[in-house]
Amino acid sequence: DVKVTQSSRYLVKRTGEKVFLECVQDMDHENMFWYRQDPGLGLRLIYFSYDVKMKEKGDIPEGYSVSREKKERFSLILESASTNQTSMYLCASSTPGRAYEQYFGPGTRLTVT
Amino acid sequence: GDSVTQMEGPVTLSEEAFLTINCTYTATGYPSLFWYVQYPGEGLQLLLKATKADDKGSNKGFEATYRKETTSFHLEKGSVQVSDSAVYFCALSASGGSNYKLTFGKGTLLTVNP
Repeated sequence: DVKVTQSSRYLVKRTGEKVFLECVQDMDHENMFWYRQDPGLGLRLIYFSYDVKMKEKGDIPEGYSVSREKKERFSLILESASTNQTSMYLCASSTPGRAYEQYFGPGTRLTVT
Repeated sequence: GDSVTQMEGPVTLSEEAFLTINCTYTATGYPSLFWYVQYPGEGLQLLLKATKADDKGSNKGFEATYRKETTSFHLEKGSVQVSDSAVYFCALSASGGSNYKLTFGKGTLLTVNP
């Protein structure tokens, strides 16, 4: 069974902390994505990676960075967490030929206090 | 830019009722259209898709038809079950689905009562 796992289901951090969210997929997918999900706003793409060490900004990259050192792992980094980054973060992966068929992890609910 | 508009929720139905969730889109060219579903506590999963006008996507009793003339892709099911309770997202991908970027609607929460 295909799987995308995220390091934490729930996370509480303080304002100004550096936060790492980890995502691992076991499907050998080239594409990986980070979204945030907010009530009334749906899903918004933060960053996308189409290969190891390659990345592209999504719609809302401000305040975030990413790292992809291995094909199976894609990390989202909040350099200095702020309260407006309190959200549900979803990781996804896909193959280039079927880029629309994205497999999602269960999400990390991050609260910044 | 591309956008997806879906009906506001929440939607509450009794078991075996008919379901419609409306979705309309704005896009240049010929997008592919999708419905994703998010069950409680889980990530999203692809429910069905349609890649060209007049295509009908179907899965698990759900159907949606790509209507180019009305720029719509409404989700329907003839008889819902309690297990269908979830959030449903309409989405599009420009350039026929080869483009990685999915544009999502805001989601519609469906609750089905026994």
